[in-house]
Amino acid sequence: DGGITQSPKYLFRKEGQNVTLSCEQNLNHDAMYWYRQDPGQGLRLIYYSQIVNDFQKGDIAEGYSVSREKKESFPLTVTSAQKNPTAFYLCASSSRDRGYYGYTFGSGTRLTVV
Amino acid sequence: QQQVKQSPQSLIVQKGGISIINCAYENTAFDYFPWYQQFPGKGPALLIAIRPDVSEKKEGRFTISFNKSAKQFSLHIMDSQPGDSATYFCAAGTGTASKLTFGTGTRLQVTL
Repeated sequence: DGGITQSPKYLFRKEGQNVTLSCEQNLNHDAMYWYRQDPGQGLRLIYYSQIVNDFQKGDIAEGYSVSREKKESFPLTVTSAQKNPTAFYLCASSSRDRGYYGYTFGSGTRLTVV
Repeated sequence: QQQVKQSPQSLIVQKGGISIINCAYENTAFDYFPWYQQFPGKGPALLIAIRPDVSEKKEGRFTISFNKSAKQFSLHIMDSQPGDSATYFCAAGTGTASKLTFGTGTRLQVTL
């Protein structure tokens, strides 16, 4: 079945560490996105990529980095510069053929700083 | 800057009742307005969407009403069921930008 796989489901990070969240899709979608979800704040866009080897900052990109070396993969690194990284992280993808509409989301990674 | 305002933050409805969630937007360039449903521990899933050239779209028990002049749109869930208990997000986007701006979410609880 086609879909988006996020791993790990739960992740614990120590202060000062960088961690990388994985996102893989087999939907042949062109665009991929990373959102952060916090209680009462909805989903906020971190980074997005419309094509391989290109990505754009979203509304809250500080302290995060991404890469898009393959169409199927869009990993997110949470760096030590991100002061409040504890959150639920969601990856999504969409197709240019459908005008980028209709996101498909993964099941998320819950990151906790310990 | 919050571009999509969603209300209420939480909603309790009795089984069989109508659930209504409202959203307002500011950016007149938005041309796509989806609603997503999210269950705890899961990613959101597309529920229903509308474009501004129509005022209403219905899919089963779910209806979007759209008021372009007021820059508002709403989700109506008819005959609400306990299985509808979830968090609902409205969103807005433009095709050229390819990104969606989400509301803050409404937690719906349908009681027996």
